[in-house]
Amino acid sequence: GQQVMQIPQYQHVQEGEDFTTYCNSSTTLSNIQWYKQRPGGHPVFLIQLVKSGEVKKQKRLTFQFGEAKKNSSLHITATQTTDVGTYFCAGINSNTGKLIFGQGTTLQVKP
Amino acid sequence: KAGVTQTPRYLIKTRGQQVTLSCSPISGHRSVSWYQQTPGQGLQFLFEYFSETQRNKGNFPGRFSGRQFSNSRSEMNVSTLELGDSALYLCASSSARDRTGELFFGEGSRLTVL
Repeated sequence: GQQVMQIPQYQHVQEGEDFTTYCNSSTTLSNIQWYKQRPGGHPVFLIQLVKSGEVKKQKRLTFQFGEAKKNSSLHITATQTTDVGTYFCAGINSNTGKLIFGQGTTLQVKP
Repeated sequence: KAGVTQTPRYLIKTRGQQVTLSCSPISGHRSVSWYQQTPGQGLQFLFEYFSETQRNKGNFPGRFSGRQFSNSRSEMNVSTLELGDSALYLCASSSARDRTGELFFGEGSRLTVL
């Protein structure tokens, strides 16, 4: 079945360093969404990308959707302690319509 | 606007018992989906309902079932509980008819099976 792989699983950075998480699908996605889950919390929607090659920015966060619509990335510039949490990508399989989540990348930021 | 409400928030059951979890979506949202979250496994899709019809189902055994009512509220049931069913069960609602919309998650129901 379709898989959405996310790497790395964990990342520890010093505050001020950059961070990137990557999401790869075995099948073409109709769109991709990103969510953030703070420790003890529930996932909260960050953004959705739909077009091939699309790039969107939210302050220090940059999201990209690959040209083949099979991969995506989230880059955080100059991390802050408020960025701590688990970041999930979620893609909709173009054929089945199922929304499949990646395993998530847990970010720890040392002050 | 009230968010997604899940009840109960915490519950403890023993093996072999059954459990029913409830989810009230955001007013006006007709799509409700359920996810199981365990450490290291991320969010595993259980099922999705739209207007009382199950539109999609994940790869879980038949012990996991769900339904949606005419007011869009949804329930999921797990019968013959196993230790491995211990998890956070998250419900999410969406206003999008075509599954492209943002998901709004509830706080979850944390199930512990002893």
